[in-house]
Amino acid sequence: GAGVSQTPSNKVTEKGKYVELRCDPISGHTALYWYRQSLGQGPEFLIYFQGTGAADDSGLPNDRFFAVRPEGSVSTLKIQRTERGDSAVYLCASSWVTGGWETQYFGPGTRLLVL
Amino acid sequence: GIQVEQSPPDLILQEGANSTLRCNFSDSVNNLQWFHQNPWGQLINLFYIPSGTKQNGRLSATTVATERYSLLYISSSQTTDSGVYFCAVGVETSGSRLTFGEGTQLTVNP
Repeated sequence: GAGVSQTPSNKVTEKGKYVELRCDPISGHTALYWYRQSLGQGPEFLIYFQGTGAADDSGLPNDRFFAVRPEGSVSTLKIQRTERGDSAVYLCASSWVTGGWETQYFGPGTRLLVL
Repeated sequence: GIQVEQSPPDLILQEGANSTLRCNFSDSVNNLQWFHQNPWGQLINLFYIPSGTKQNGRLSATTVATERYSLLYISSSQTTDSGVYFCAVGVETSGSRLTFGEGTQLTVNP
């Protein structure tokens, strides 16, 4: 169907709270990626999934961050004990296959503000 | 890891002018994409171009992989071209992750 969708579009939370960010990839895309973009910078890689498994989670900043993709489609990025430094735009992307030889398509992002 | 440098960081044009944006990278790549991030934050794919030349309307891109750079050309610029242009690369040893440059902020004035 349509492009990559992400919910919520905006999230305001308090320091120490738990948040979940959702990504719906393009139908049929097997690979799904999460990136984080701070103000004035380019997006930075967090994690990518091939199917249901996390093929590379080396970009996750610490163990407060976790992501799942239980059925190989929708993914949820989970952040525990949020800190003010977690404030950023969280972007999701998807592609047909993986291996680096394909175009990644990005969603509109979730703007997270931690007060 | 791979380094990606974009230039210029900022560019201001009058409507109708042409421009060239540059992306240098420090290692061999198997993926290179150009994106336009509009004022609402949406990243829009412009080109997938790990090598060679492509054109799409007023935009074209060239990647010279052996010399580790890519160029994005915008001709007859319009105010709607304003936004940030990102170059992002992937390397075989890093799997499917993209590494982004810091972007070029383009402003096109009427």
